[in-house]
Amino acid sequence: SQTIHQWPATLVQPVGSPLSLECTVEGTSNPNLYWYRQAAGRGLQLLFYSVGIGQISSEVPQNLSASRPQDRQFILSSKKLLLSDSGFYLCAWGLAGADTQYFGPGTRLTVL
Amino acid sequence: GNSVTQMEGPVTLSEEAFLTINCTYTATGYPSLFWYVQYPGEGLQLLLKATKADDKGSNKGFEATYRKETTSFHLEKGSVQVSDSAVYFCALYSGGGADGLTFGKGTHLIIQP
Repeated sequence: SQTIHQWPATLVQPVGSPLSLECTVEGTSNPNLYWYRQAAGRGLQLLFYSVGIGQISSEVPQNLSASRPQDRQFILSSKKLLLSDSGFYLCAWGLAGADTQYFGPGTRLTVL
Repeated sequence: GNSVTQMEGPVTLSEEAFLTINCTYTATGYPSLFWYVQYPGEGLQLLLKATKADDKGSNKGFEATYRKETTSFHLEKGSVQVSDSAVYFCALYSGGGADGLTFGKGTHLIIQP
């Protein structure tokens, strides 16, 4: 069966510091991968998606970036965090061509 | 563009009460529709889905029917339990490729014993 991992689970970072969140998927090959952010009272917002290694599509302009160095690894980064980057970050995967997405446990990021 | 509208709550019910959470959508074409559930501090879990008009998705006593004529996908459960307390998200997928899901803002459900 497939599983999806995210780490760290919780992170507290000062404004202006860098960020690296990692997501890995097991039990499938060549999945579509997604990063969403959940801000308080605002539902879920798609940030990035990827259909393959090195292929990243951005949905929202921001100071975040994403990379996919391996087939089942998806990384969310920032060079300098802003207060507005605080939120709950969720990684998801789906089979190529399918409509259903499966979510990881999330990372709670607080920027102070 | 696509959008999903759902009651935000919080919705507070007593145990064994009947639950309805309304969800309506706007989308081009024929989207797939989903309900996800989020327990405190956790990620989203797929609860149920429906892919075409008049389909009924069901799981763990919850059900929702894809109503194209009213563009709705209301979530129902006949008798809720305290353990059903969570945030419920309605979502749609209308992409042909790797597009993301479009979510409603979530409905916080509180079940009191």
